[in-house]
Formats: sequence, C-alpha cells, structure tokens
Amino acid sequence: NFMLTQPHSVSESPGKTVTISCTRTSGSIATNYVQWYQQRPGSSPTAVIYEDDQRPSGVPDRFSGSIDTSSNSASLKISGLKTEDEADYYCQSYDSSIWVFGGGTKLTVL
Amino acid sequence: QLQVQESGPELVKPSESLSLTCTVSGGSINSVGYYWGWIRQPPGKGLEWIASIFYSGDTYYNSSLKSRVTISIDRSKNQFSLKLKSVTAADTAVYFCATYGGSSEFFHHWGQGTLVTVSS
Repeated sequence: NFMLTQPHSVSESPGKTVTISCTRTSGSIATNYVQWYQQRPGSSPTAVIYEDDQRPSGVPDRFSGSIDTSSNSASLKISGLKTEDEADYYCQSYDSSIWVFGGGTKLTVL
Repeated sequence: QLQVQESGPELVKPSESLSLTCTVSGGSINSVGYYWGWIRQPPGKGLEWIASIFYSGDTYYNSSLKSRVTISIDRSKNQFSLKLKSVTAADTAVYFCATYGGSSEFFHHWGQGTLVTVSS
C-alpha cells in the first residue's frame, strides 16, 4: 500500500497564491488520478479538483491541480486567496482497490 | 440531485458492534459504475477510508480494518450499510458515507456525517 504525504499547515495572505503538495510514498503518482477536497470546520469534504486537474462544476478557476512525476507528487494551487479559502485540504488517490487520503493540510489565510 | 444520508446510533459500548446505514435518494444504488463508500474522521484528525462497495456488489476494505468491517447493499431500500465489530475508543469518529465514480473519479456526494462515540 502507498501513503500520501502533505504538509501539516500552510499560511498566506489574501490575494496571494499558495501551493499545497501531496507526495506519493510508493508507486507512481501518474498511475492513478489524484483528487483534492476542501473541508471547512463542521462540514463534509467537497472536491475542488478531480482527476489530477479537473474542476467540479462551481469551483472557481482560482483552484488548479497538477502532478509532477519527477517529485512523485501532486499539487493544489490556489491563487487570489480569499478568507473563505481557509480550510483543511486533503489529497486522495486510488490503487489496487484501495482509496487513500493524505493527512490533510490546514490552510490559514491571514 | 443525488443525496446520501447516514443514520445509526450515536453511542456504542466498547467491544460491541457499530452499525450505520446510508440512504441514497435522488438516484439508484444500482447506477452503473458507482462505488458507495464509508470514510471516517476522528475528532481533530484527518480522513480515513474504511470500505467501498461497487454497484455490482464487489467489496473493498481498508486493510487495517478489514478483519472487523463489513459493507453491504440493500437494493430494495436503496441503502448501503457498514458494520464495524469489536469497537474501541479509537473508533470514535464522524462517519461519512459518500459516492465515488460513475463518469468522474472522485467522491462527489457526501453525507453530512454522523458522530459515533464509543464509550461505556
């Protein structure tokens, strides 16, 4: 089985850009799609990126996703940060009939 | 609009079994290509995938929980269920049901979650 490793926390100012990484510990990041979920306190997670770089309907284009095979990682980039983006973000992937979530990254917008 | 909603007891005693049901509305649990899954989140911690069941009935389990978990479908009620045996305080968590797949590979509909506390 593989794991997905995320930074515990990141912080940035409103209007700036932040990137959250998600590193796959074994196997290739390109083998299976990576998804990103946003979870605000007291709420269920909602997807902001799916299939590496696709945005679900209603998610602003300030959110973008990518993968980098050289670092075996995926990234979520949020540009033009707003205070409402403050939340926990989880990456997720799938392999060999198991689903794996990263440990989550707390984004603070201050 | 597809919706899923968890139900079940909020308090379970140690060593007993936890049973939760997820009711699907606005769609069919027989939808081709869909997975129906359970994810949990201990207080203040991250998300942990527990189990999924494919629309065909094939089941998939987190290896760390596999010996204690059963996921099943009740097609007549448009529901799927989770049973976790021999619970301990470590199983205290918010339990979410969610659906994955179909035309897109992600958990695209989530329930609101239900907090299950394991305590005597």
